[in-house]
Amino acid sequence: GQQLNQSPQSMFIQEGEDVSMNCTSSSIFNTWLWYKQDPGEGPVLLIALYKAGELTSNGRLTAQFGITRKDSFLNISASIPSDVGIYFCADNTDKLIFGTGTRLQVFP
Amino acid sequence: EAQVTQNPRYLITVTGKKLTVTCSQNMNHEYMSWYRQDPGLGLRQIYYSMNVEVTDKGDVPEGYKVSRKEKRNFPLILESPSPNQTSLYFCASSRWRGDDTQYFGPGTRLTVL
Repeated sequence: GQQLNQSPQSMFIQEGEDVSMNCTSSSIFNTWLWYKQDPGEGPVLLIALYKAGELTSNGRLTAQFGITRKDSFLNISASIPSDVGIYFCADNTDKLIFGTGTRLQVFP
Repeated sequence: EAQVTQNPRYLITVTGKKLTVTCSQNMNHEYMSWYRQDPGLGLRQIYYSMNVEVTDKGDVPEGYKVSRKEKRNFPLILESPSPNQTSLYFCASSRWRGDDTQYFGPGTRLTVL
């Protein structure tokens, strides 16, 4: 079946730093979604991408749908403590499938 | 307030003792699903329901049952829990199956001894 691999698995950064994470798939996707899971809560949709090459921003977050349609990137600029959590990429082409997650820790 | 609620939030039980985790949504959503979250594996779908009385298996359905007698409720049933079902469980709902915006409950942390 489809596999979504995220890297890095975890990140420990200082407040104010920029963050970059990515997601790769074993097959071509029509949709890339990025969700964030705050500690102790369920995931919440951050950004949805629908076209190869598409670049979309949501505040300090920017995500891109890779040209090959097999990858996607999420960047967070000027990180703050509330960025802490697990970030999941997901595909909803046929059914919703989540990646393995990137755990982000931000130190003041 | 639009929300998905789950109960209980935490549960410790023993092998073989039947349990039910309830899930309820107040958004009149047609599509509901259950996921389990395990370290390094992300969220994997257990069961889903496209509408009342319509349920289907997800990727990891073994050992679980569900029912959808009413639109708002979608309980997850473990008839005979085993330690490998120790996990964090999430219920989710959306307007329809292909809707990218899934609303997740707060999670239920289950430990089976």
